[in-house]
Amino acid sequence: AQSVTQLGSHVSVSEGALVLLRCNYSSSVPPYLFWYVQYPNQGLQLLLKYTTGATLVKGINGFEAEFKKSETSFHLTKPSAHMSDAAEYFCAVSRGSGTYKYIFGTGTRLKVLA
Amino acid sequence: KAGVTQTPRYLIKTRGQQVTLSCSPISGHRSVSWYQQTPGQGLQFLFEYFSETQRNKGNFPGRFSGRQFSNSRSEMNVSTLELGDSALYLCASSSSTGGTGELFFGEGSRLTVL
Repeated sequence: AQSVTQLGSHVSVSEGALVLLRCNYSSSVPPYLFWYVQYPNQGLQLLLKYTTGATLVKGINGFEAEFKKSETSFHLTKPSAHMSDAAEYFCAVSRGSGTYKYIFGTGTRLKVLA
Repeated sequence: KAGVTQTPRYLIKTRGQQVTLSCSPISGHRSVSWYQQTPGQGLQFLFEYFSETQRNKGNFPGRFSGRQFSNSRSEMNVSTLELGDSALYLCASSSSTGGTGELFFGEGSRLTVL
């Protein structure tokens, strides 16, 4: 069975500070991993994904994540937070090939302080 | 290119009624997935379709059903509504059949059951 744990349901950072959102996964098969962002009253938008290959993945809006198999982690980072980054972020895992049945984490709401 | 369109955006029903939600995927996308989002359970997979065939179903009671039409549009139906069915129902589409492509989400249909 697969599962995703996001540590911290709420994270606050100052504008310009490092953003670190944590995601740990459990999977019996090589996982496909995703980060999505949801702005208020909107659907989810893909930030980045890891399927195979390079373990450091760069996404949109300056975000990146590193797949660490030994730590079963896929933490999301951004060097400098911007006010527009305030949103809810979801980590997700899937078995990959042939399905869009994702297991989502419970989400982390990011607040950016001026 | 138009995004994923979900209708209606908001609706209110009473217990025992049924509801049908509609999803029009991005033109050319043949994979459609549905998710239920609630504050308590987060995002949970309902079902996914490809070329009118249901490929996977989540762990929901039989009151939840769906279908996909030949033009890739999809509907989901919930019969005998319960208070706990109040949620944001999200539809997502993809051009990829393999499960590694990007899922494009609609803004959702927010169902309130009284």
